[in-house]
Amino acid sequence: EPEVTQTPSHQVTQMGQEVILRCVPISNHLYFYWYRQILGQKVEFLVSFYNNEISEKSEIFDDQFSVERPDGSNFTLKIRSTKLEDSAMYFCASSDLIWGQQNTEAFFGQGTRLTVV
Amino acid sequence: AQRVTQPEKLLSVFKGAPVELKCNYSYSGSPELFWYVQYSRQRLQLLLRHISRESIKGFTADLNKGETSFHLKKPFAQEEDSAMYYCALNTGNQFYFGTGTSLTVIP
Repeated sequence: EPEVTQTPSHQVTQMGQEVILRCVPISNHLYFYWYRQILGQKVEFLVSFYNNEISEKSEIFDDQFSVERPDGSNFTLKIRSTKLEDSAMYFCASSDLIWGQQNTEAFFGQGTRLTVV
Repeated sequence: AQRVTQPEKLLSVFKGAPVELKCNYSYSGSPELFWYVQYSRQRLQLLLRHISRESIKGFTADLNKGETSFHLKKPFAQEEDSAMYYCALNTGNQFYFGTGTSLTVIP
């Protein structure tokens, strides 16, 4: 069964450093998402991406964040200058239709745990 | 504004007992609600969606618009049901998750 894969599973970085979280969505999917979950808190929407551009982003997704689909298979989330409060589990998801339409769902990756020290 | 509320962070039940995981939502439009489950060290996966009205792994959830609730129920809990459960609301272009309920089924 096809699945969304994320690498690395755990990343430790120093405050102020740049990190890139990588995701390989399911191959025929067109919509991509990043979510994050700070330990003990709810899963929060960051950004959605379609047709090589951001379709929606939350207030969390400030200028320090960017997303890219560099080669048609990977979908990356970059944090330019990490802060301690960026420590969280980051989930990538993909879907073949707009999420919420009948008979569609989003498939999640296993997550990348980012620890900023 | 909090869109999805799951009041219980932790819930423990004995095997064979009924289980109900509560979810309340806040949305002025026509809601689309889902339950996602995350088993230990695994990814989030869809458990069920209100629109399909199916029963998955014995779980059901009924959308109650009057009470703005979408509680997840199972009449007889099994040990393999131990997991993290997230209620989620789709507003058409964004998904909102609750904080999750960790269910432990005691053998």
